[in-house]
Amino acid sequence: EDQVTQSPEALRLQEGESSSLNCSYTVSGLRGLFWYRQDPGKGPEFLFTLYSAGEEKEKERLKATLTKKESFLHITAPKPEDSATYLCAVQEGNTGKLIFGQGTTLQVKP
Amino acid sequence: DVKVTQSSRYLVKRTGEKVFLECVQDMDHENMFWYRQDPGLGLRLIYFSYDVKMKEKGDIPEGYSVSREKKERFSLILESASTNQTSMYLCASSRGGSNYGYTFGSGTRLTVV
Repeated sequence: EDQVTQSPEALRLQEGESSSLNCSYTVSGLRGLFWYRQDPGKGPEFLFTLYSAGEEKEKERLKATLTKKESFLHITAPKPEDSATYLCAVQEGNTGKLIFGQGTTLQVKP
Repeated sequence: DVKVTQSSRYLVKRTGEKVFLECVQDMDHENMFWYRQDPGLGLRLIYFSYDVKMKEKGDIPEGYSVSREKKERFSLILESASTNQTSMYLCASSRGGSNYGYTFGSGTRLTVV
C-alpha cells in the first residue's frame, strides 16, 4: 500500500536556524513527489515537484531533494514568514491521485 | 491568474440540512477532487472526477455525494449534514493523466450545529 510519512510533526526554529523536514514514502513506481505549503485557514499552495532520485529544486530559502525512499525540504536561514505547515504527497500509480503525509508544522521565531 | 474557487469560506449549517459546496476551476483541468482536512488526520479524499459526469469514490465517501455536470464545476453534497462532518473542505484540480500536481482552492470551513 502506498504511504507517506512526514517527520517531525512540529518544528520550532529560531530565525536564521537552518533545518530539514523529512518525507518518507513507499509507492510502486513513483510518478511524482510534491511539496506544498499551507497557511492556517487556507488551501495548500504548490511549491515543488520532483520526479526522479537525485533531482533538486530551489525556491528562495527552500530546497527540495529526492532519493529513492525519501525527500527532504531544506530550509536555509528561515524567517518568521516561513512559518506554515508543509505537506508532502506522492502520486498514486496512473490515477493522478495524490497521497498526502500528515504534514510538518514549522514555527520560526524572531 | 489561474485559480480554483470555492463558493464559501465559512459555512454554518444545522444537523439534517442538505449542504452544497461548490468548486469552479478556470484552467480547463480534467481532474477534480474533494478532500476534507481534520487535525491529526491530514487530508482525506472524499470523491474525485476524471471527466464530466464521471465520479469515483475516494477513501471516505460515506455521507457525501458529488455532481459534475460541467467540466469546470465540481459540487460536493452532504445529503443530511451531521456534526461529524464539521471540517475544512478543500477542492483541487489537475490536468488529465498522471505526473501533474494539484491546484487547490482556499477551502470552506463548514460547521454543523
